[in-house]
Amino acid sequence: EVQLLESGGGLVQPGGSLRLSCAASGFTFSSYAMSWVRQAPGKGLEWVSGVRGSDTRTYYADSVKGRFTISRDNSKNTLYLQMNSLRAEDTAVYYCAKGDGAGRFNEADYWGQGTLVTVSS
Amino acid sequence: QSVLTQPPSVSAAPGQKVTISCSGSSSNIGNNYVSWYQQLPGTAPKLLIYDNNKRPSGIPDRFSGSKSGTSASLGITGLQTGDEADYYCGTWDSSLSAVLFGGGTKLTVL
Repeated sequence: EVQLLESGGGLVQPGGSLRLSCAASGFTFSSYAMSWVRQAPGKGLEWVSGVRGSDTRTYYADSVKGRFTISRDNSKNTLYLQMNSLRAEDTAVYYCAKGDGAGRFNEADYWGQGTLVTVSS
Repeated sequence: QSVLTQPPSVSAAPGQKVTISCSGSSSNIGNNYVSWYQQLPGTAPKLLIYDNNKRPSGIPDRFSGSKSGTSASLGITGLQTGDEADYYCGTWDSSLSAVLFGGGTKLTVL
């Protein structure tokens, strides 16, 4: 059974940093693209970043480029999102999502339960 | 405002059919596959349709997807109260090298 378990969310001040983790199980983690998708309170989905399963090439939404860094540790079956220079508009539930192929981000066939990040003073 | 345009809401009676549209451009829908997601209140999104019209295992054939040019549609037949949810389209944008989601459509089953 595929499972994705996010952790690391919490309250952080504007300008601060936070690192999210997503522990994966039930599939060959290194073979699949992984993404972070966020949802601000009462708003729609926003894709944040993705990392391919094959060559680990990374991609970012313009809204987080230069501030967030996605990475993966295939030996630990874990996906990360390092978030720096956080802003109030980064407040959201952050979901970890598995693609259905090594380079397929848009076809997110499994999602975690989400972790809430609140940026406020 | 999302690059992919969806109607904010649709409604229909139980047993009826509804269609949700998603409009984009040549850099996204026009040249890439479209997926559709269902998000029930308080839960994570769930993949309903991928590659424009394919259903993952376990998704009933009441749900269907289509694409024409720079637009895509999700169809739901035999509406049930349990279908009340937010629905999102998604696709890759070749110019941005990023996934885009539509703004979401709230389905109400009257």
